[in-house]
Amino acid sequence: DVKVTQSSRYLVKRTGEKVFLECVQDMDHENMFWYRQDPGLGLRLIYFSYDVKMKEKGDIPEGYSVSREKKERFSLILESASTNQTSMYLCASSLGGSQETQYFGPGTRLLVL
Amino acid sequence: GQQLNQSPQSMFIQEGEDVSMNCTSSSIFNTWLWYKQEPGEGPVLLIALYKAGELTSNGRLTAQFGITRKDSFLNISASIPSDVGIYFCAGQLRESNQFYFGTGTSLTVIP
Repeated sequence: DVKVTQSSRYLVKRTGEKVFLECVQDMDHENMFWYRQDPGLGLRLIYFSYDVKMKEKGDIPEGYSVSREKKERFSLILESASTNQTSMYLCASSLGGSQETQYFGPGTRLLVL
Repeated sequence: GQQLNQSPQSMFIQEGEDVSMNCTSSSIFNTWLWYKQEPGEGPVLLIALYKAGELTSNGRLTAQFGITRKDSFLNISASIPSDVGIYFCAGQLRESNQFYFGTGTSLTVIP
């Protein structure tokens, strides 16, 4: 079974704080993704990575950065949290190849006050 | 980003009824995935489809990859209360590793 874990289920932070969201997968997957999920907007891709130390912007990268120093770990960083970054953050991973399937973590619900 | 139109947005059905939902797009997809998400949890993969016309079942769930490659369908037979949740489709374009997601169908099953 693929397992994708996220470091926190719930986080409360203050405006301006630096926030780290960690994601780890245990299936040696090449690809990892960060999404945010908001009511009425569905899942939106923030950043993704196809390899260690590699990153690509998704549809809404502004205000975020990422780090992939090891294959199994993909971190999402909010340099200076703002209230409009209150959301559910979902990490996903996929093996890579012709028949792709994405597996999601349980999500981190972030509240920025 | 790509638009995936998922319908219906919500459904209220009686226990035992069958359910149908679909996703459509103007683009051609290589892969279709269907997920279920329960409140406060991440999406859980239900069915993956990789070939046009493919019909795949997972228990009471059946999904089909549309022959035009621009749509997919999910059916749930004989619904039960634990089917409650939000169902998402996701499609992968031929030339991309990214997935695009529908906005979800919220299913409520009335016992």
